[in-house]
This record gives sequence, C-alpha cells and structure tokens, in this order.
Amino acid sequence: TQLLEQSPQFLSIQEGENLTVYCNSSSVFSSLQWYRQEPGEGPVLLVTVVTGGEVKKLKRLTFQFGDARKDSSLHITAAQPGDTGLYLCAGASGGSYIPTFGRGTSLIVHP
Amino acid sequence: NAGVTQTPKFQVLKTGQSMTLQCAQDMNHEYMSWYRQDPGMGLRLIHYSVGAGITDQGEVPNGYNVSRSTTEDFPLRLLSAAPSQTSVYFCASSGTRLSGANVLTFGAGSRLTVL
Repeated sequence: TQLLEQSPQFLSIQEGENLTVYCNSSSVFSSLQWYRQEPGEGPVLLVTVVTGGEVKKLKRLTFQFGDARKDSSLHITAAQPGDTGLYLCAGASGGSYIPTFGRGTSLIVHP
Repeated sequence: NAGVTQTPKFQVLKTGQSMTLQCAQDMNHEYMSWYRQDPGMGLRLIHYSVGAGITDQGEVPNGYNVSRSTTEDFPLRLLSAAPSQTSVYFCASSGTRLSGANVLTFGAGSRLTVL
C-alpha cells in the first residue's frame, strides 16, 4: 500500500503548456517535500511545505499544501524542456522522521 | 563540499555473490537511509539509521544488512545477491530530530545488476 499517491504517473507536453501534479494521502504530514530527479542522478530537493494551506513559489513552479496537511500539488506554468524529469513527493507521518515517497511523475517537455 | 558519496556507481554480480555498497556523508547529519528505486515503484526504504550504533528496518529490508559504526558512514551489504535485487540504490542523509530530519540529501546512486 502506497502511503502517498501521485498522479499522473506520466506527462508528455509541449513547451509553454501548464501542468499540475498531485500528491494525495489519507495520512496527516508534519511537512511534505517535493524533489526533482534527472536521469542518472539522485533526487534534489525543490521545496518543503509545512503549514496547512501554505503556497510556495519557485520561479514558474507553485507548490501548495492542503489545509488538512494530507495532500499537496505542484503547478508548473509555461513548462520548458529544462523542466523534464521525475517529480517526487515525500513525507513523514506518525511521528517518524524518515520520509516515504510517492511513485513519482515522469514529465517530458518537448521543444 | 562533497555531500553524500556513494560507491560504486555501477556493479554487476552473479546470483549468490555478496557485496557492499558504500555511503559516506560529510555534513554531520544524524539520519542516514538507503532506498531502492525500481521503474514505476518510486523510492522504497530499505534500512535507516538515526545515529551511530542505531539502525532499523524500512519497507523492504529482506536480503540486506546495514551497520552504522560512525556518523559519516552507512554501508549496505547484500548477503547473497538475487536477480530481484537488480535496482538503483540511493543513500541519503538528513539533519537531526530537531532540525531538517525530513529533508534528504541524496547520493548519485549505485546501479546494481544481478545475473
């Protein structure tokens, strides 16, 4: 059973399009992280969200933490080929400090 | 600043062989963990450590062994390799219980193939 459900699993879009990736759970998280992973490399942290309802922006990327701290979304505006990669959400719940990961969303942005 | 260093980057084993994946971090992090990544499965936790001398099992621990004799090092041992252990392995570290425990810094990965 996957604690964090990510959708969609795959996205293939044209440069300039917008997209949203979702991360959902029935568990409450003290914080939730988003990572991006490029081929042959380890995941790299993009952002941490902590407060329910929080919105964080990182250039063209907007991250939102649900009010109940059970879900999060990542929205990319005007996607570029450099956004191509695997996007992973992760969170720790139930008093654990070791996060579990969603299965990831593989994004391809075509020029 | 090297961060998290994993070796080797690639390894091919025969079924039944044993080997150790090395992981070292230079950030004085208390938490270290090992994940495996398989297509469509995301990252699954194998073992983790909350400090030197303390280790615990994650979601998929069978066939793997770990130890944490120093803060810096957290090797992962495959006792008798099986084809099901073909995967990409990532070592990660994070801060302390009081600060940054959930935020992971990853190594570059070790790709293991078991024939």
